Amino acid sequence: GEDVEQSLFLSVREGDSSVINCTYTDSSSTYLYWYKQEPGAGLQLLTYIFSNMDMKQDQRLTVLLNKKDKHLSLRIADTQTGDSAIYFCAESKRTGGFKTIFGAGTRLFVKA
Amino acid sequence: DTGVSQDPRHKITKRGQNVTFRCDPISEHNRLYWYRQTLGQGPEFLTYFQNEAQLEKSRLLSDRFSAERPKGSFSTLEIQRTEQGDSAMYLCASSLSPGEEKLFFGSGTQLSVL
Repeated sequence: GEDVEQSLFLSVREGDSSVINCTYTDSSSTYLYWYKQEPGAGLQLLTYIFSNMDMKQDQRLTVLLNKKDKHLSLRIADTQTGDSAIYFCAESKRTGGFKTIFGAGTRLFVKA
Repeated sequence: DTGVSQDPRHKITKRGQNVTFRCDPISEHNRLYWYRQTLGQGPEFLTYFQNEAQLEKSRLLSDRFSAERPKGSFSTLEIQRTEQGDSAMYLCASSLSPGEEKLFFGSGTQLSVL
């Protein structure tokens, strides 16, 4: 998605923290999301953050939002091999309807 | 299973043929979306419905594509005169509005146009 940009690959060792970064363009986005996609499956919502928040923590997941820079990050603590997947950043856009726009995804490889 | 279901999972067709896909959303969800995903890319928005009304279509969607949601429940996506460039994974998602617009995705229909 041209409106949402992510780095394409990330490789970490099992037990380390993973940080996946994303930039978005629409300052009017109400919610920002992280979805996970495993091979051969549809996308699964991992977590989301309301645009008036700076941080949200959910077990091993921490989302940080910098509205000024339009930067979103997802931190996965104690990364496990089962976390290997593609992670998509997404923003909800209210202009021209109501739809969610996705980035191209970051492929996370977790080495045992 | 009360999730989003899509049928078929795979479809192989010859160029020029018409294909139709079906999506059954989560029953209480009033919004339904169609996305297309190609290898190495994120889902690309195609269209969405609020109940039975189709509220937006992507300008990238050609006239060969049509979607319906006749009773505000299941939806169909038809592609007429398929082209090789239509080969992709077609994903359906549903959500409950108003709210945080959390999308629940089906497993998708993988279309291969030969």
